[in-house]
Amino acid sequence: SQQGEEDPQALSIQEGENATMNCSYKTSINNLQWYRQNSGRGLVHLILIRSNEREKHSGRLRVTLDTSKKSSSLLITASRAADTASYFCATGVVASEGAQKLVFGQGTRLTINP
Amino acid sequence: DAGVTQSPTHLIKTRGQHVTLRCSPISGHKSVSWYQQVLGQGPQFIFQYYEKEERGRGNFPDRFSARQFPNYSSELNVNALLLGDSALYLCASSGTGKTGELFFGEGSRLTVL
Repeated sequence: SQQGEEDPQALSIQEGENATMNCSYKTSINNLQWYRQNSGRGLVHLILIRSNEREKHSGRLRVTLDTSKKSSSLLITASRAADTASYFCATGVVASEGAQKLVFGQGTRLTINP
Repeated sequence: DAGVTQSPTHLIKTRGQHVTLRCSPISGHKSVSWYQQVLGQGPQFIFQYYEKEERGRGNFPDRFSARQFPNYSSELNVNALLLGDSALYLCASSGTGKTGELFFGEGSRLTVL
């Protein structure tokens, strides 16, 4: 079963605008990660934020994490046509060395219009 | 450096048949995980192997099995295929650290008729 609930399910914006996607989860986590998937292909890791962090930046990406509300957001600034893809949040639980499970949300389908 | 490689990329089977999917992790990675992604949904965890031992299993029936070889490559086997097994099967590898980042292959798309 999916743990994450992503909002919105689909988002369409103009090139150059900012895109914000939200994710909520249910259980305690070690980290939360965001991945991108181009249609029918493998997932690409974007950014990881640990449970003791509140905000993280990577290039045009900004991720926030609120563990009290069990929610996260991904902001993509100055969007480009190449950002068109599905974006998934995934909560990570590391039980011991080498043992980890990711629980993915349903994803947000982002379309950037030129 | 080569990323995670999976084979075959596409395959078509009929109900009741058996399928074997293969995965080679990034060189130096000792952990391999398998995920199933049904069209329109997020990936769901099937198995994780680390140092050739099963370290985690998702909520999948016993028809699903996997193993990891001494060279850290892995196989996912599915017996008695059902129509609902049609999906993209993703393999991911990770190193020995606890960072949690997974590196995914392009997947094997299975269609069951």
